Amino acid sequence: GAGVSQTPSNKVTEKGKYVELRCDPISGHTALYWYRQSLGQGPEFLIYFQGTGAADDSGLPNDRFFAVRPEGSVSTLKIQRTERGDSAVYLCASSLLAGANVLTFGAGSRLTVL
Amino acid sequence: DQQVKQNSPSLSVQEGRISILNCDYTNSMFDYFLWYKKYPAEGPTFLISISSIKDKNEDGRFTVFLNKSAKHLSLHIVPSQPGDSAVYFCAATPEGNEKLTFGTGTRLTIIP
Repeated sequence: GAGVSQTPSNKVTEKGKYVELRCDPISGHTALYWYRQSLGQGPEFLIYFQGTGAADDSGLPNDRFFAVRPEGSVSTLKIQRTERGDSAVYLCASSLLAGANVLTFGAGSRLTVL
Repeated sequence: DQQVKQNSPSLSVQEGRISILNCDYTNSMFDYFLWYKKYPAEGPTFLISISSIKDKNEDGRFTVFLNKSAKHLSLHIVPSQPGDSAVYFCAATPEGNEKLTFGTGTRLTIIP
């Protein structure tokens, strides 16, 4: 597709459950990023992929969060044992090259943990 | 520790007038700055950027000014149009670094 596609757009889950959020970047973009935007805040960096490898995962809040990009295209953000504080909009972005700084964002996946 | 600060959560401006959005930063390693615009239910979209080697960058109705000594930048929109109503995020990074640090955003409302 022409833009960054994220699914689901909305996810409601119960505390303790496992969730997966998917990101389909712009075709040909080698760099892929996950950010999290909590209510009233700006996006916060979680993890960055260059190709298939996670080049920087320093923003992941704890070991309940994990992300993969096995074929260097689609990425999945996985959250185990969800907590109410995980409720946020999870934004995926991609760029043609690493370090390009100008990111193209998807519309986000809104996660609500009850 | 908020390294990028947008102290005005909201701003209302009459259509046709100038909108000025402000952003301050604390990290002296930041040398590349960007403004993103966000409509409801959409992702942020890139608007304009500036490198620390410049103090001004202009693109149509949008101009970004950078004052490195004050660690301050501003986005000027003139003339403001109703379609400019959105949340504007300031972001900063060391140039070539992959991690953007965002401010909390300013909601701009253009009054027709």
